Amino acid sequence: DIQMTQSPSSLSASVGDRVTITCQASEDISKYLNWYQQKPGKAPKLLIHAASNLESGVPPKFIGSGSGTHFTFTITSLQPEDIATYYCQQYDHYPRSFGQGTKLEIK
Amino acid sequence: QVQLVQSGAELKKPGASVKVSCKPSGYTFIHYDVNWVRQAPGQGLEWMGWINPNTGKTRYGQKFQGRVTFTSNTSATTVYMELSSLKDEDTAVYYCARDMVRGVSSAFDVWGQGTLITVSP
Repeated sequence: DIQMTQSPSSLSASVGDRVTITCQASEDISKYLNWYQQKPGKAPKLLIHAASNLESGVPPKFIGSGSGTHFTFTITSLQPEDIATYYCQQYDHYPRSFGQGTKLEIK
Repeated sequence: QVQLVQSGAELKKPGASVKVSCKPSGYTFIHYDVNWVRQAPGQGLEWMGWINPNTGKTRYGQKFQGRVTFTSNTSATTVYMELSSLKDEDTAVYYCARDMVRGVSSAFDVWGQGTLITVSP
């Protein structure tokens, strides 16, 4: 099974900061990676698909990049409404697998 | 609007079975696979498998093989997830999610609201 490792597990940043989360795959998954945002008590929301494609209706302050085994997710200017847990997920192999999540907080 | 509506929370005893429904609306039911993902309290997301609502074809995660069954009722336009031999560690919120496929992309673009299954003596 492919293991997805996110770092950091938690992150505290200030409003307006540029925030970056990384996701490492245990094997090459090409660009078959998605990013989701989950707010407390809510279902996850798709933000980025195929590593760098912004889902329709998602603001362009969310940026995804990478390929192979190393991926990054960036919020260009952190806002209070971005407080959530973010997950990466690979779909190159079964079982589909998620990273453990990165909990983002406002400093 | 496009949405998935799930059945309500359930409390089950260890060893019992539970069946959760997921009813899509706002799109053609048979055109998208439906995946199931669960989340234990305070934990991350865990993929369980998918079903093609049109053909009934399924794929299960190995961890759940033999204990989970996905079914589809095309006349009722509803999919179901049944988990048997419940254990305490099956306590979780269970989500259904639509799998969009666009070119090289395959992602869960529409999610149900989640169904809390609590397993307790």
